[in-house]
Amino acid sequence: NAGVTQTPKFRILKIGQSMTLQCTQDMNHNYMYWYRQDPGMGLKLIYYSVGAGITDKGEVPNGYNVSRSTTEDFPLRLELAAPSQTSVYFCASSYSGGVSQPQHFGDGTRLSIL
Amino acid sequence: AQSVTQLDSHVSVSEGTPVLLRCNYSSSYSPSLFWYVQHPNKGLQLLLKYTSAATLVKGINGFEAEFKKSETSFHLTKPSAHMSDAAEYFCVVSELDDGGSQGNLIFGKGTKLSVKP
Repeated sequence: NAGVTQTPKFRILKIGQSMTLQCTQDMNHNYMYWYRQDPGMGLKLIYYSVGAGITDKGEVPNGYNVSRSTTEDFPLRLELAAPSQTSVYFCASSYSGGVSQPQHFGDGTRLSIL
Repeated sequence: AQSVTQLDSHVSVSEGTPVLLRCNYSSSYSPSLFWYVQHPNKGLQLLLKYTSAATLVKGINGFEAEFKKSETSFHLTKPSAHMSDAAEYFCVVSELDDGGSQGNLIFGKGTKLSVKP
């Protein structure tokens, strides 16, 4: 059982380049999330999705886009990479959005913008 | 608005001694509370959760946490530290969003636990 899988694990981008961070889960979870983690800080929510075809903004959505065409996949796109987007990105999923539902996390994508 | 404060950014203990990681929260309603652990270059793993049942919650790897409403605290403890416990620990509060339908997670800034041999 793979859980939440993120690719790539590491990436270096130049300013202005674009890329897509991939996330897939095999737990048939309805809810999926993207977070960023900056040094010395907790995780901040970028976007989330409550099901295929439905996405919504989190706390820090600027500079990012998402789509959810299937239950399993929730890619995150950076259109014009900026140094401020250097961070570790985590994808997570949960069965529902209830307050007692724990989220399951992938191992992260470490992204540097130079 | 809900918030989480982890009172120590770094805690260092010797192997075999007790662990105490402190967390205070602010919440308008009855929250759900979680502790997650993050080992180097890994994602977050759920240690334990509180969801308004028993106030003393037992988790994996010998960790437990006690919910104290009067003190708005949810401290994480372990009787005897092991070298493998060295990691970063996050206290997390979950509350319904403004629409009342979605549980949003609010993360503390983390406490890095070091374990000396």
